[in-house]
Amino acid sequence: QQQVKQSPQSLIVQKGGIPIINCAYENTAFDYFPWYQQFPGKGPALLIAIRPDVSEKKEGRFTISFNKSAKQFSLHIMDSQPGDSATYFCAASPGSEKLVFGKGTKLTVNP
Amino acid sequence: DGGITQSPKYLFRKEGQNVTLSCEQNLNHDAMYWYRQDPGQGLRLIYYSQIVNDFQKGDIAEGYSVSREKKESFPLTVTSAQKNPTAFYLCASSSPGQGEKLFFGSGTQLSVL
Repeated sequence: QQQVKQSPQSLIVQKGGIPIINCAYENTAFDYFPWYQQFPGKGPALLIAIRPDVSEKKEGRFTISFNKSAKQFSLHIMDSQPGDSATYFCAASPGSEKLVFGKGTKLTVNP
Repeated sequence: DGGITQSPKYLFRKEGQNVTLSCEQNLNHDAMYWYRQDPGQGLRLIYYSQIVNDFQKGDIAEGYSVSREKKESFPLTVTSAQKNPTAFYLCASSSPGQGEKLFFGSGTQLSVL
């Protein structure tokens, strides 16, 4: 019930493509869904987050889509760039309790 | 600059040895966390502390110990009881009211000699 399942494990796209990373959860008490971006040798950094009262949130080229009934959420990166190459983690938490992380997706954007 | 400082960047442990990873923050955050990252395994919570002199076990606390004597410091000791310590260790902190938003340090890579 505490798991967050993330897919795919790795993803390769060409520059300008729109990579999509998906996450699914079971715990209906989860009410906060962030995405973290991690570059090699660095710690993750918060990229964008959503709460279940909205179905979509956009910040720059990054968009979260949220489907409460399906208990799924996804990250879309518009006009992807080689600099977006990183590992992306979805996460979820119930209220103010500690986050549960997905296993990560390694994204490679080729020039 | 406000942030979280982890040291050392790289650490090597000999068989039977305890090693301590340092984590210091100047963000004035109450809560601090230690995560372990293995390739393809995501981030797994080792210990967390929501207030000075108090801490709780996470999902994989066996073989690890922590202390929280000061608000800004949360060191992690990897004991000899941890049989598979090779991993990337991440320290994080968060502030009240933003408990879900974590700020991470740059990590310590621990390897076994």
